This record gives sequence, structure tokens and C-alpha cells, in this order.
Amino acid sequence: AQSVTQLDSQVPVFEEAPVELRCNYSSSVSVYLFWYVQYPNQGLQLLLKYLSGSTLVKGINGFEAEFNKSQTSFHLRKPSVHISDTAEYFCAVRSGNTPLVFGKGTRLSVIA
Amino acid sequence: DADVTQTPRNRITKTGKRIMLECSQTKGHDRMYWYRQDPGLGLRLIYYSFDVKDINKGEISDGYSVSRQAQAKFSLSLESAIPNQTALYFCATSPRGGSNQPQHFGDGTRLSIL
Repeated sequence: AQSVTQLDSQVPVFEEAPVELRCNYSSSVSVYLFWYVQYPNQGLQLLLKYLSGSTLVKGINGFEAEFNKSQTSFHLRKPSVHISDTAEYFCAVRSGNTPLVFGKGTRLSVIA
Repeated sequence: DADVTQTPRNRITKTGKRIMLECSQTKGHDRMYWYRQDPGLGLRLIYYSFDVKDINKGEISDGYSVSRQAQAKFSLSLESAIPNQTALYFCATSPRGGSNQPQHFGDGTRLSIL
């Protein structure tokens, strides 16, 4: 069975500062990894995905994530955040023919 | 128009009532899913369907049932609603073709049971 742990439930950060949202997963087989973002009162939007190849994945809105197989991690980063990045972020894992399994989410609050 | 449409967007009802949440999609995807979101718990899978004749229970299916009326429609029912089913419900879709395909989400249905 797969599982996802998002290590921080809330992350406050000042505008224009860098941010890292941490995600660890467990799975006994090869996985595909995803980050979704949920803005207030909206559904989930795909931010980026790791399928194979380069371990550094770039997504929308200046976000990127790095897949680390040895540490079973897929941390999300942005070098300089904006107020508009305030949202909840979900890490998710999938393998085989199974639906996505989500972490519990990290609420990013960007402070002016 | 949205690719994945959920109706209603908001619903308030009483304990014991039967509720149906509907999801329709124009993406042509074979696979459809129902999740619920609770604060601090993330999204948990209720049911999923890989095609019209294939329905599978998810992590938290007790108290819920589903119907896949067509490729484009997947409904979630609460036969006798209870207050701890108050949550934000999401429908999602994905194409056939393996686990490297992301899921696409509707805007959610906020359900409150009094």
C-alpha cells in the first residue's frame, strides 16, 4: 500500500522569501508523484508531476520539485513566493492501476 | 464550460435525508472518482470507477453508494445522511492508460448535514 506524509500542516512565509513544502512517500513499487494546489473555494489544480527521467521537475507558477528515490521524498520549492501563492498544497502518489493517494495537505500562508 | 462539473455546489440538509451529488465530464475520460476533503485530513477516496461496468470501493465507502450512469456521469449518494458526512466532496476523472495520468478535479460540492 502507498502512503504520503506531508511533514508540515502549515507554513507561514514572508513575501519574496523562498519556500519548501516537504513530502515523503512510501511504496513497495515504482511510483508517479504529483503536487496539486487548491486556492480558496476552488478545486484542485495540477501543479507538476514526476513520471520518469530528470529528477528535477518544473511546474506552473514558478514551482519545482525534486524526486529523491533514496530518501523517498518529493519536496516542492519556490525561490520567491507571492501573496497569490497562498493556498493549500497536496502531494499525491500513484502506482500500478490505483487511484491517487493524497497527503493531508500543507497550508501555505504568504505574509506581506 | 468546466470539463468536470459537480452539482449542486452547496447543499444544506438534515440528518436522515437521502442526498445525491452529481458529476458530469466532457473530457471523454473513462475513469471517475469521488473523494471527500476534511480539514487536516486531506482527500480520502470514497469510490472509483474505471468504466461503466466497473465500480470499486475506496478507503471510506461506508455510508455511501455510487452509480455510473454513462461514461460521462458518476453520482454519489448518501442513503441516510449523518452529521459526520459534512465535508467538501470532489469528483475527479482521468483517462485510461496507466498510472502516469493525472486526475482532473471538479470545483467541489460543499455538503452540510444538520
